[in-house]
Amino acid sequence: DAEITQSPRHKITETGRQVTLACHQTWNHNNMFWYRQDLGHGLRLIHYSYGVQDTNKGEVSDGYSVSRSNTEDLPLTLESAASSQTSVYFCASSVDSGIGELFFGEGSRLTVL
Amino acid sequence: SQQGEEDPQALSIQEGENATMNCSYKTSINNLQWYRQNSGRGLVHLILIRSNEREKHSGRLRVTLDTSKKSSSLLITASRAADTASYFCATYSNSGYALNFGKGTSLLVTP
Repeated sequence: DAEITQSPRHKITETGRQVTLACHQTWNHNNMFWYRQDLGHGLRLIHYSYGVQDTNKGEVSDGYSVSRSNTEDLPLTLESAASSQTSVYFCASSVDSGIGELFFGEGSRLTVL
Repeated sequence: SQQGEEDPQALSIQEGENATMNCSYKTSINNLQWYRQNSGRGLVHLILIRSNEREKHSGRLRVTLDTSKKSSSLLITASRAADTASYFCATYSNSGYALNFGKGTSLLVTP
Protein backbone atom coordinates (compact mmCIF):
# COMPACT_ATOMS: atom_id res chain seq x y z
CA ASP A 1 0.00 0.00 0.00
CA ALA A 2 1.13 3.53 -0.71
CA GLU A 3 2.10 5.49 2.36
CA ILE A 4 3.89 8.47 3.79
CA THR A 5 6.62 7.89 6.36
CA GLN A 6 8.49 10.23 8.63
CA SER A 7 11.78 9.68 10.41
CA PRO A 8 12.90 9.88 13.06
CA ARG A 9 9.69 9.57 15.07
CA HIS A 10 11.39 11.00 18.15
CA LYS A 11 14.50 13.12 18.43
CA ILE A 12 16.21 15.06 21.18
CA THR A 13 18.82 17.59 20.20
CA GLU A 14 20.67 20.57 21.61
CA THR A 15 20.27 24.24 20.84
CA GLY A 16 22.31 25.28 17.84
CA ARG A 17 22.57 21.87 16.18
CA GLN A 18 21.36 21.18 12.67
CA VAL A 19 18.48 18.73 12.45
CA THR A 20 16.87 17.13 9.42
CA LEU A 21 13.49 15.44 9.52
CA ALA A 22 12.79 13.09 6.65
CA CYS A 23 9.50 12.62 4.80
CA HIS A 24 8.97 10.00 2.11
CA GLN A 25 5.76 9.26 0.23
CA THR A 26 5.05 6.49 -2.24
CA TRP A 27 1.84 7.90 -3.74
CA ASN A 28 3.71 9.89 -6.39
CA HIS A 29 1.90 13.02 -5.17
CA ASN A 30 3.22 16.29 -6.55
CA ASN A 31 2.24 18.31 -3.47
CA MET A 32 3.98 17.95 -0.12
CA PHE A 33 3.68 19.99 3.07
CA TRP A 34 5.28 20.39 6.46
CA TYR A 35 3.23 21.48 9.48
CA ARG A 36 4.08 21.87 13.12
CA GLN A 37 1.60 21.18 15.89
CA ASP A 38 1.74 22.92 19.23
CA LEU A 39 -0.73 23.11 22.09
CA GLY A 40 -2.86 26.20 21.74
CA HIS A 41 -1.85 26.77 18.12
CA GLY A 42 -3.18 23.79 16.24
CA LEU A 43 -1.35 23.01 13.00
CA ARG A 44 0.69 25.70 11.32
CA LEU A 45 2.19 25.48 7.85
CA ILE A 46 5.98 25.69 7.63
CA HIS A 47 6.85 24.99 3.98
CA TYR A 48 5.21 23.40 1.00
CA SER A 49 6.15 22.15 -2.45
CA TYR A 50 4.08 21.70 -5.59
CA GLY A 51 6.69 19.61 -7.39
CA VAL A 52 10.36 18.87 -7.94
CA GLN A 53 12.53 21.96 -7.48
CA ASP A 54 9.54 23.94 -6.19
CA THR A 55 9.49 25.12 -2.56
CA ASN A 56 7.47 27.83 -0.85
CA LYS A 57 7.34 29.41 2.58
CA GLY A 58 4.36 28.96 4.81
CA GLU A 59 3.13 30.80 7.85
CA VAL A 60 6.02 29.91 10.20
CA SER A 61 9.03 29.31 7.94
CA ASP A 62 11.73 31.24 9.85
CA GLY A 63 14.52 28.89 10.94
CA TYR A 64 13.41 26.10 8.59
CA SER A 65 14.33 25.09 5.05
CA VAL A 66 13.25 22.40 2.60
CA SER A 67 14.49 21.07 -0.72
CA ARG A 68 12.69 18.92 -3.30
CA SER A 69 15.03 16.93 -5.52
CA ASN A 70 12.54 14.17 -6.36
CA THR A 71 8.81 13.51 -6.13
CA GLU A 72 8.99 11.19 -3.14
CA ASP A 73 10.95 13.20 -0.57
CA LEU A 74 10.68 16.55 1.19
CA PRO A 75 13.21 16.77 4.04
CA LEU A 76 12.80 19.56 6.58
CA THR A 77 16.00 21.10 7.95
CA LEU A 78 16.41 23.19 11.06
CA GLU A 79 19.70 24.97 10.41
CA SER A 80 20.32 25.91 14.06
CA ALA A 81 17.75 24.38 16.38
CA ALA A 82 16.12 26.62 18.98
CA SER A 83 14.02 25.70 22.02
CA SER A 84 11.05 27.39 20.34
CA GLN A 85 11.23 24.70 17.68
CA THR A 86 10.35 21.96 20.16
CA SER A 87 7.19 20.62 18.58
CA VAL A 88 5.56 17.75 16.74
CA TYR A 89 6.16 17.96 13.01
CA PHE A 90 3.84 16.48 10.42
CA CYS A 91 4.49 15.87 6.78
CA ALA A 92 1.58 15.57 4.36
CA SER A 93 0.98 15.09 0.67
CA SER A 94 -1.87 15.60 -1.77
CA VAL A 95 -2.80 14.98 -5.38
CA ASP A 96 -4.65 18.18 -6.16
CA SER A 97 -3.42 21.69 -5.44
CA GLY A 98 -5.86 23.84 -3.57
CA ILE A 99 -8.81 21.44 -3.48
CA GLY A 100 -7.96 17.92 -2.34
CA GLU A 101 -7.49 16.04 0.89
CA LEU A 102 -4.14 15.68 2.62
CA PHE A 103 -2.53 12.41 3.62
CA PHE A 104 -0.46 12.75 6.79
CA GLY A 105 2.52 10.95 8.21
CA GLU A 106 2.60 9.80 11.83
CA GLY A 107 4.64 12.79 12.99
CA SER A 108 8.12 13.48 14.34
CA ARG A 109 8.40 14.69 17.91
CA LEU A 110 11.41 17.00 18.27
CA THR A 111 12.74 18.23 21.59
CA VAL A 112 15.40 20.96 21.59
CA LEU A 113 17.23 21.28 24.91
CA SER B 1 -3.05 32.07 9.40
CA GLN B 2 -5.67 29.80 10.87
CA GLN B 3 -8.82 29.96 8.83
CA GLY B 4 -11.09 27.71 10.87
CA GLU B 5 -11.94 27.73 14.54
CA GLU B 6 -13.66 24.77 16.19
CA ASP B 7 -16.13 24.96 19.02
CA PRO B 8 -16.20 23.59 21.67
CA GLN B 9 -12.50 23.11 22.47
CA ALA B 10 -13.38 19.98 24.46
CA LEU B 11 -16.41 17.74 24.60
CA SER B 12 -17.13 14.81 26.90
CA ILE B 13 -20.04 12.46 26.27
CA GLN B 14 -21.10 8.89 26.97
CA GLU B 15 -21.22 6.06 24.49
CA GLY B 16 -24.37 6.10 22.44
CA GLU B 17 -24.82 9.85 22.60
CA ASN B 18 -24.38 12.15 19.62
CA ALA B 19 -21.42 14.53 19.40
CA THR B 20 -21.64 17.84 17.58
CA MET B 21 -18.67 20.02 16.76
CA ASN B 22 -18.77 23.37 15.04
CA CYS B 23 -16.32 25.19 12.83
CA SER B 24 -16.29 28.83 11.77
CA TYR B 25 -14.06 30.25 9.06
CA LYS B 26 -13.24 33.69 7.76
CA THR B 27 -12.99 33.87 3.99
CA SER B 28 -14.70 32.30 0.99
CA ILE B 29 -13.79 28.67 0.40
CA ASN B 30 -13.68 25.98 -2.27
CA ASN B 31 -14.40 23.23 0.20
CA LEU B 32 -14.24 22.43 3.90
CA GLN B 33 -12.71 19.26 5.28
CA TRP B 34 -12.83 17.46 8.60
CA TYR B 35 -9.94 15.43 9.98
CA ARG B 36 -9.52 13.18 12.97
CA GLN B 37 -6.37 12.73 15.06
CA ASN B 38 -5.95 9.95 17.58
CA SER B 39 -3.51 10.63 20.39
CA GLY B 40 0.08 10.43 19.18
CA ARG B 41 -0.91 9.80 15.57
CA GLY B 42 -1.19 11.72 12.33
CA LEU B 43 -4.35 13.34 11.02
CA VAL B 44 -6.75 11.27 8.98
CA HIS B 45 -9.20 12.73 6.49
CA LEU B 46 -12.85 12.08 7.34
CA ILE B 47 -15.01 13.99 4.92
CA LEU B 48 -14.96 16.85 2.42
CA ILE B 49 -17.90 19.11 1.64
CA ARG B 50 -17.82 21.44 -1.34
CA SER B 51 -18.92 25.05 -1.16
CA ASN B 52 -22.03 24.29 -3.25
CA GLU B 53 -23.14 21.47 -0.94
CA ARG B 54 -25.18 21.97 2.22
CA GLU B 55 -25.04 18.52 3.79
CA LYS B 56 -23.05 15.35 3.41
CA HIS B 57 -23.16 11.95 5.09
CA SER B 58 -20.57 9.25 5.57
CA GLY B 59 -21.51 6.37 7.84
CA ARG B 60 -22.16 7.83 11.29
CA LEU B 61 -20.83 11.22 10.23
CA ARG B 62 -23.01 14.10 9.08
CA VAL B 63 -21.48 17.38 7.97
CA THR B 64 -23.35 20.57 7.22
CA LEU B 65 -22.06 23.73 5.59
CA ASP B 66 -23.60 27.20 5.73
CA THR B 67 -21.56 29.48 3.51
CA SER B 68 -23.69 32.52 4.39
CA LYS B 69 -22.66 32.13 8.03
CA LYS B 70 -19.20 30.78 7.19
CA SER B 71 -19.77 27.81 9.45
CA SER B 72 -19.85 24.02 9.40
CA SER B 73 -20.82 21.33 11.85
CA LEU B 74 -19.73 17.73 12.27
CA LEU B 75 -22.19 15.35 13.90
CA ILE B 76 -21.10 11.92 15.04
CA THR B 77 -24.12 9.78 15.84
CA ALA B 78 -24.21 6.95 18.35
CA SER B 79 -20.68 7.68 19.59
CA ARG B 80 -18.33 4.91 20.59
CA ALA B 81 -15.31 4.93 22.89
CA ALA B 82 -13.19 4.47 19.76
CA ASP B 83 -14.37 7.89 18.54
CA THR B 84 -12.26 9.51 21.26
CA ALA B 85 -9.89 11.78 19.34
CA SER B 86 -9.31 15.37 18.29
CA TYR B 87 -11.30 16.66 15.34
CA PHE B 88 -10.14 19.46 13.07
CA CYS B 89 -11.78 21.44 10.34
CA ALA B 90 -9.66 22.74 7.49
CA THR B 91 -10.21 25.00 4.53
CA TYR B 92 -8.54 26.23 1.39
CA SER B 93 -9.44 29.77 0.52
CA ASN B 94 -10.33 30.46 -3.12
CA SER B 95 -6.82 31.78 -3.64
CA GLY B 96 -5.23 29.37 -1.14
CA TYR B 97 -2.21 27.19 -1.57
CA ALA B 98 -2.48 24.85 1.40
CA LEU B 99 -5.00 23.71 3.96
CA ASN B 100 -5.44 25.92 7.01
CA PHE B 101 -6.46 24.05 10.14
CA GLY B 102 -8.36 25.11 13.21
CA LYS B 103 -7.16 24.31 16.73
CA GLY B 104 -9.44 21.31 17.03
CA THR B 105 -12.10 19.88 19.30
CA SER B 106 -11.01 17.21 21.75
CA LEU B 107 -13.73 14.57 22.06
CA LEU B 108 -13.83 12.09 24.93
CA VAL B 109 -16.37 9.27 24.73
CA THR B 110 -16.68 7.28 27.93
CA PRO B 111 -18.11 3.77 28.09
